Amino acid sequence: NAGVTQTPKFQVLKTGQSMTLQCAQDMNHEYMSWYRQDPGMGLRLIHYSVGAGITDQGEVPNGYNVSRSTTEDFPLRLLSAAPSQTSVYFCASSYSSRVGNTIYFGEGSWLTVV
Amino acid sequence: EDQVTQSPEALRLQEGESSSLNCSYTVSGLRGLFWYRQDPGKGPEFLFTLYSAGEEKEKERLKATLTKKESFLHITAPKPEDSATYLCAVGSSASKIIFGSGTRLSIRP
Repeated sequence: NAGVTQTPKFQVLKTGQSMTLQCAQDMNHEYMSWYRQDPGMGLRLIHYSVGAGITDQGEVPNGYNVSRSTTEDFPLRLLSAAPSQTSVYFCASSYSSRVGNTIYFGEGSWLTVV
Repeated sequence: EDQVTQSPEALRLQEGESSSLNCSYTVSGLRGLFWYRQDPGKGPEFLFTLYSAGEEKEKERLKATLTKKESFLHITAPKPEDSATYLCAVGSSASKIIFGSGTRLSIRP
């Protein structure tokens, strides 16, 4: 069972570079989201999608862009990387967008911006 | 403002020493309270969902309980493999999921 798959696992970027974190799920889940996890701050929502073609902002969307062209894929783009974006990023999905449904997480992507 | 606070930040126990982790929340219309386990270098792994005060759920040595203001994760006779960070999250009527910062649990053999 693949579940939620993220790539790459580790990435080092220079300030100002752009990159895309890939996320795919094989559970036919409607809802997908991206979180970042920083020490002492828990998980914070960046962007989310309630279905193909529909995306919306979370708590900390600045500097990130998303799209949802298919049900399976939800890539996260860093437009111009900054050291403040050094973090661990988690992609997550759930069966529906109704709050209360269980969220399943990927293994994480460790990003360092120098 | 919706908020989730977990305590303690870190907890060290001896193998077999039972204890509880706390998750206090303030939320506009609870739509579910979630407990996750996170191992170093891994994504959060789902443990429980609780929906209403008085509800309890159990899994092996773990039991989660819920009141109107807080949830407890009780760990009975823990083993070293229970060492992990435990995350609490709540769903609100504003369609948001809010996470606490977690409790790092360490079980010594």
